[in-house]
Amino acid sequence: ENVLTQSPGTLSFSPGERVTLSCRASQSVDSRFFVWYQQKRGQAPRVLIYRTSSRATGIPDRFSGSGSGTDFTLTISRLEPEDSAVYFCQQYGSSPYTFGQGTKLEIK
Amino acid sequence: QVQLVDSGGGVVQPGGSLRLSCSAVGFSISRYAMHWVRQAPGKGLEWVAHIAFDGGNILYADSVRGRFTISRDNANNTLALQMNSLRVEDTAVYYCATWAFTLGIDYWGQGALVAVSS
Repeated sequence: ENVLTQSPGTLSFSPGERVTLSCRASQSVDSRFFVWYQQKRGQAPRVLIYRTSSRATGIPDRFSGSGSGTDFTLTISRLEPEDSAVYFCQQYGSSPYTFGQGTKLEIK
Repeated sequence: QVQLVDSGGGVVQPGGSLRLSCSAVGFSISRYAMHWVRQAPGKGLEWVAHIAFDGGNILYADSVRGRFTISRDNANNTLALQMNSLRVEDTAVYYCATWAFTLGIDYWGQGALVAVSS
């Protein structure tokens, strides 16, 4: 099983700042099958970034993804209050498909 | 409007069974792989099962293999998850989902709560 470890567990930033979330895999991930999700309280997740660095439909360009192999990052620039959520990484290139444990982002 | 509607959740005793259903509205599932993903209360996401568009390839998480069965009925546009030998640790909100990101597809149901408790 490819274990995804996200860091840090919790972040607290102010509006307008820039934040970087990390996801490290225990085995190499095919970058075509690596995604980032955002989940707000009481809602289903929604995809932000697919194929490591492609923004999903309707996602503002404040969100960007990068990485390869075992190290991936999600960067959110110019934070807004509505970015307060939990962010999950996921790989679905090899079974079992796995998610990271999540990073909770709080906006002060 | 596209919707995946999850149903069939409830409270069940350990060792019991439950069947979840997912109905697609405004969207034909027949071309797409489908998944079940669960989330225990206050916890992260856990992928549970996958079924290819034609049912030809089925995958399970180790934690449910041999106890859960995923199936689909493309003619009726539905997905199912038969859950047997339920354990307390299976307590979670279960989401059906499908994704084909390059096509702009990322659809999730609203979730069905399964509570396993004596």
